[in-house]
Amino acid sequence: AQSVAQPEDQVNVAEGNPLTVKCTYSVSGNPYLFWYVQYPNRGLQFLLKYITGDNLVKGSYGFEAEFNKSQTSFHLKKPSALVSDSALYFCAVRDGSNYQLIWGAGTKLIIKP
Amino acid sequence: GAGVSQSPSNKVTEKGKDVELRCDPISGHTALYWYRQSLGQGLEFLIYFQGNSAPDKSGLPSDRFSAERTGGSVSTLTIQRTQQEDSAVYLCASSSTGSGNTIYFGEGSWLTVV
Repeated sequence: AQSVAQPEDQVNVAEGNPLTVKCTYSVSGNPYLFWYVQYPNRGLQFLLKYITGDNLVKGSYGFEAEFNKSQTSFHLKKPSALVSDSALYFCAVRDGSNYQLIWGAGTKLIIKP
Repeated sequence: GAGVSQSPSNKVTEKGKDVELRCDPISGHTALYWYRQSLGQGLEFLIYFQGNSAPDKSGLPSDRFSAERTGGSVSTLTIQRTQQEDSAVYLCASSSTGSGNTIYFGEGSWLTVV
């Protein structure tokens, strides 16, 4: 069965420090992996995705994520956090044979000044 | 349009009343999803439309919920005899066909049942 795990409900980071939001997945076929961000009282915004090719994917707002096939992970990273990065982050996965996206439970990221 | 458009953005209704939520997907997108999200929580899949195929209704929580998509474009989610537990934000998303394609979300319809 397909699944996505975001093991941390909340991540706290000081402004200017690097941040990591973790995501691990399980799919039967080749994974298509996505990260979305949700600011308060807003819909979800697409950040980046991995389909194929380079394992390091760069996205919006300076975020990047690294696909690690052996560890079945797709952690979201940013070298220097901003207070404005504070939001809810969702990881999602789809395999090539399925239209359904399987969503993680979300991680609340809090960046403190 | 430029993005996924949802209306109304906010709706307060009395328990027992019916509500209709509308979604206008990105032009040319054949796939359309409805999700429900309780305050600050994760996404709950409701229904999926793809072109002229039969929709996947497996996520609808009860027979009070229904959805249709007219002409392969605009979709309406209807909740009959609303209950307080229906209070949530209802998110619509669309994408073009293909597993690697990104789905894009609207801003949501915030439903409060009093």
